[in-house]
Amino acid sequence: DTGVSQDPRHKITKRGQNVTFRCDPISEHNRLYWYRQTLGQGPEFLTYFQNEAQLEKSRLLSDRFSAERPKGSFSTLEIQRTEQGDSAMYLCASSGETNRGGGNTIYFGEGSWLTVV
Amino acid sequence: AQSVTQLDSHVSVSEGTPVLLRCNYSSSYSPSLFWYVQHPNKGLQLLLKYTSAATLVKGINGFEAEFKKSETSFHLTKPSAHMSDAAEYFCVVSDPWPGTASKLTFGTGTRLQVTL
Repeated sequence: DTGVSQDPRHKITKRGQNVTFRCDPISEHNRLYWYRQTLGQGPEFLTYFQNEAQLEKSRLLSDRFSAERPKGSFSTLEIQRTEQGDSAMYLCASSGETNRGGGNTIYFGEGSWLTVV
Repeated sequence: AQSVTQLDSHVSVSEGTPVLLRCNYSSSYSPSLFWYVQHPNKGLQLLLKYTSAATLVKGINGFEAEFKKSETSFHLTKPSAHMSDAAEYFCVVSDPWPGTASKLTFGTGTRLQVTL
C-alpha cells in the first residue's frame, strides 16, 4: 500500500492555460475525493466519486473545473482557462466503505500545488 | 449544517510542556470527529478519530482527544511537546450516516509552534 499519490506535485502555469492533475488512490478504495486548500485556510470539499460515478460536487467547482474517474481507479482534475484565483493546493483523498455508526477514515495525498501567474 | 470552530489560530509552547488545541463542533447528529496534522508543504495525516465509541481517543505520536457532548468540544492534547510537533492542526467533522458521502468539514486550523 503506497498511499494516495498525486502528480504533479507542483505546477506553475500562465493565466488562461489548462492544467490537469492526476490522483491514484489507495488500491481497493472505492471512494475518491478532491479538496482545495488556499494559504492559511483549511481544505474545502470540491467533489466526490464512488467508483466511477461522480456523486457530489461543491458549488466551488465552477464550469471551468472537471473531474473524472473513468475506470473507478485513478482520477483527473482539469482546470480550464486558469485564473490567478485558482492558485491553491489541490488535495486528493480516498476511503473504503462507510461503516454504520461512524465515519470511515479518509486518507489524503500530499497535494498538487498550482500557481497561476 | 455541521461545522467546527478552532478557538486558537496560533498556539506556542515550550518543548516538554503540555499541548492543548481547542475545538468546538456543531452537529445535528452524533458526529464523527477527527484531528489531522499538516506539516509544511505536506499533505494531511490523520492523528486520531472519534466515531461514537470511547470518548477518550488516543492517536499517534502521543496525542489524544476527549469528546465532550455536553460542551460540544473535542480538544486535542499531548502531555509533552516535541519540536517535531510544530505543524498546522485541523479539527474536522464528518457526516456520520452510512451510505452518504463522507464529506469532511475542516476548521480553519491551529498553527502549533514549539520553542526550545
